[in-house]
Amino acid sequence: DGGITQSPKYLFRKEGQNVTLSCEQNLNHDAMYWYRQDPGQGLRLIYYSQIVNDFQKGDIAEGYSVSREKKESFPLTVTSAQKNPTAFYLCASSTFVHEQFFGPGTRLTVL
Amino acid sequence: QKEVEQDPGPLSVPEGAIVSLNCTYSNSAFQYFMWYRQYSRKGPELLMYTYSSGNKEDGRFTAQVDKSSKYISLFIRDSQPSDSATYLCAMNRGSARQLTFGSGTQLTVLP
Repeated sequence: DGGITQSPKYLFRKEGQNVTLSCEQNLNHDAMYWYRQDPGQGLRLIYYSQIVNDFQKGDIAEGYSVSREKKESFPLTVTSAQKNPTAFYLCASSTFVHEQFFGPGTRLTVL
Repeated sequence: QKEVEQDPGPLSVPEGAIVSLNCTYSNSAFQYFMWYRQYSRKGPELLMYTYSSGNKEDGRFTAQVDKSSKYISLFIRDSQPSDSATYLCAMNRGSARQLTFGSGTQLTVLP
């Protein structure tokens, strides 16, 4: 089955800790995206990547980092510099920007 | 002011009703208009997209774009309890590599 997987489903972070969220796709899409969703605020773009070894900052990149070493994988690290990381994180991939397919999401909670 | 405005609801309708969901936008450069459906604690799924103005129909769903008024709509005919979800509109300038999302409208269809 083709699709996007995200892991873990739930993640808990202590203050000052870095955590990494996994995103894998087998749709052969070139572009991948990371969004953050907070209640009542829709989706906000953190980072996106159009090709391997290249990525661009989105609207809210501060406190986050990414890598794109393989076409299938686009992990997101939430660093200790992100002061309010509790949110629902969504990964997406696409061939065309207007046809993005989303994974099931990771819910991150700061303890 | 946000580039895309969407009434958050919540909106409750009886089963079988026609539902109208709407977004307004301020950026006249938007060319692609998308509607996503998001069930609770899940990733969004693309329902349909429209390029420029006009209507597009897919089963019980109709998307409508009025660029002169900067207003888009999604109509759901014969609504079902399974349509209960949050509906997100999204837009793209065509040349841009990212989407701009509305905040979502929460819909409940009562049996």
